[in-house]
This record gives sequence, C-alpha cells and structure tokens, in this order.
Amino acid sequence: DAKTTQPTSMDCAEGRAANLPCNHSTISGNEYVYWYRQIHSQGPQYIIHGLKNNETNEMASLIITEDRKSSTLILPHATLRDTAVYYCIVRAGANNLFFGTGTRLTVIP
Amino acid sequence: DGGITQSPKYLFRKEGQNVTLSCEQNLNHDAMYWYRQDPGQGLRLIYYSQIVNDFQKGDIAEGYSVSREKKESFPLTVTSAQKNPTAFYLCASTSGSGVGGWAYNEQFFGPGTRLTVL
Repeated sequence: DAKTTQPTSMDCAEGRAANLPCNHSTISGNEYVYWYRQIHSQGPQYIIHGLKNNETNEMASLIITEDRKSSTLILPHATLRDTAVYYCIVRAGANNLFFGTGTRLTVIP
Repeated sequence: DGGITQSPKYLFRKEGQNVTLSCEQNLNHDAMYWYRQDPGQGLRLIYYSQIVNDFQKGDIAEGYSVSREKKESFPLTVTSAQKNPTAFYLCASTSGSGVGGWAYNEQFFGPGTRLTVL
C-alpha cells in the first residue's frame, strides 16, 4: 500500500470547518483513500473513503485532487467531540490498514 | 446493538505469564483482525482471519497466537515469548460482502484492551 504524509497536529476553532490534508503521491490506480479517527484510548472509527470522486457523508467530506496525489478531509462544523487523531490511509485490497501516526486535531472552544 | 466487544478493558499480568484477550462480534462479519498500538504510534497488524479455522500472520506475529473456532470470536493470546507485551490491543472486523468484499470494506473496531505486564 502507498504511504501517506500528514501534518503532525492542527488546531481548529469550534464551529469552523476543519480541513485535514493528506499527501499520497505514490498512490496507484486501484488504491482507495480511507479516513479513520481515534479518540483518546478508544478504537479507531471509520469516517469516509473514496477512489477518485469527491465523497460526502453525514460525518465529513473527502476531496481528492484530480491527479489523486493528495486529498483533504473536511469536517464542516467542528465540535469539541471531533478532537482526535485522524488517519489517512491508502489501500488496495490489503488485509490490513496501515495506520501511520496521523494528525492530532484539537478543536478549541 | 451490533458491534465488537473486547474484554477486559484493562489487564495486568506478571512477566512470564500467558494472557488471552477476548474479541467477540455480532455483526456477522467474515474477517477479523488484531492490531497493537504503542503510545504515540499507529497500529500494527498482529494476526488476521478471513474465515473460520483459518488465520494468517500479520507484521508482528512473533510472541502471539490466535484461534478462530467460531465466526464471531477471535481470541488473542500474548505468550511469554513476546518481549514487550505492554500495549493497547485492538480487535477489528469487516464484512466480506459487497463490491470488493473484505479487502475494501471499512473495518469496525472494538474499544481495545490495555495490557500492562509488571
């Protein structure tokens, strides 16, 4: 699976949109982009995934660039409960998900 | 409610003892996984199973053993051969149905077991 690069940490004001970037410049054509998050001392939670089209669900939006070398996870109205570590993963049928160290998002009141 | 349960939440053991961590799911998922997480680190795959009575080693299987006698259960044993067993252990499962099956479906995680070896 392709490796990803994410900023170590980010802050976001409560109520504002949180935009979390991810670089995956070596992604191959059949690899999907997945986002998970992990609140302290809990199991990771699936957020969203996509191949090349932008995706939206009740939790977030995923914007993938046309060349697919980067993507952005958008939390439209961040709340304090969104404070967590966010993992960007690219995957093509692998048995496991390769979780790197992710981005620690802190939502500030 | 459907989900994955892990027990216990916290576990303490003396060095040299084997310990078994429980993972149960009632989601009717085919594939189950065990991950290990160390402080400030990502997750690393220990073992996975795609079908009853079959399982495969992950990236860090040494010192661990598993069984998959029932679809809903995938216990992990941390043996005395595991040199640094203190960690946060996470179990996950995924469905084998749908386009792409288990290889592309999202994984659902349990709440984790924090193991401390004294």
